[in-house]
Amino acid sequence: GIQVEQSPPDLILQEGANSTLRCNFSDSVNNLQWFHQNPWGQLINLFYIPSGTKQNGRLSATTVATERYSLLYISSSQTTDSGVYFCAVYDDYKLSFGAGTTVTVRA
Amino acid sequence: GAGVSQSPSNKVTEKGKDVELRCDPISGHTALYWYRQRLGQGLEFLIYFQGNSAPDKSGLPSDRFSAERTGESVSTLTIQRTQQEDSAVYLCASTDTQYFGPGTRLTVL
Repeated sequence: GIQVEQSPPDLILQEGANSTLRCNFSDSVNNLQWFHQNPWGQLINLFYIPSGTKQNGRLSATTVATERYSLLYISSSQTTDSGVYFCAVYDDYKLSFGAGTTVTVRA
Repeated sequence: GAGVSQSPSNKVTEKGKDVELRCDPISGHTALYWYRQRLGQGLEFLIYFQGNSAPDKSGLPSDRFSAERTGESVSTLTIQRTQQEDSAVYLCASTDTQYFGPGTRLTVL
């Protein structure tokens, strides 16, 4: 199956800071999603992004499919941004997940 | 309903017992997925339903695991003779863009 690697594994931010999370994948994919898993375990779709750039408030994502990577940008981070961020790629109809980046935003 | 729901939210069982986990997908969604998340890890694919047929069961870790779906609604994941390594959060998702339920946290003592 497709391998998905995320970096860094852990990230500690001071409130208000900006950061970039990276996702590399091993093969061509039809699509890619970013999720946020909050401290209560709920997975929330952030972006469905096969290529290009999308923005939603303080979050944006860029996927360069030809180079097999995607980036998630968090700007002006808030404590509510804490949690685990997962990148997942479509291997046909099912998702293959990376191990996640654990983000802790300190007030 | 407004989202994917799962029950129970938490289940503690003894090794060797059978458990049944339930998923109610978003109304009208034909695709349904089960994933497992072990502590501190990403999600592992278990099984995919399209309607009430399961064209891909490749992720089920052993023959102790089975799943069924009634029509295009409720799905149940059954684990027989539970083992401690089955302890995990079991998540259900519906539709092709995979909206996830809150999960069932299973603990096998």
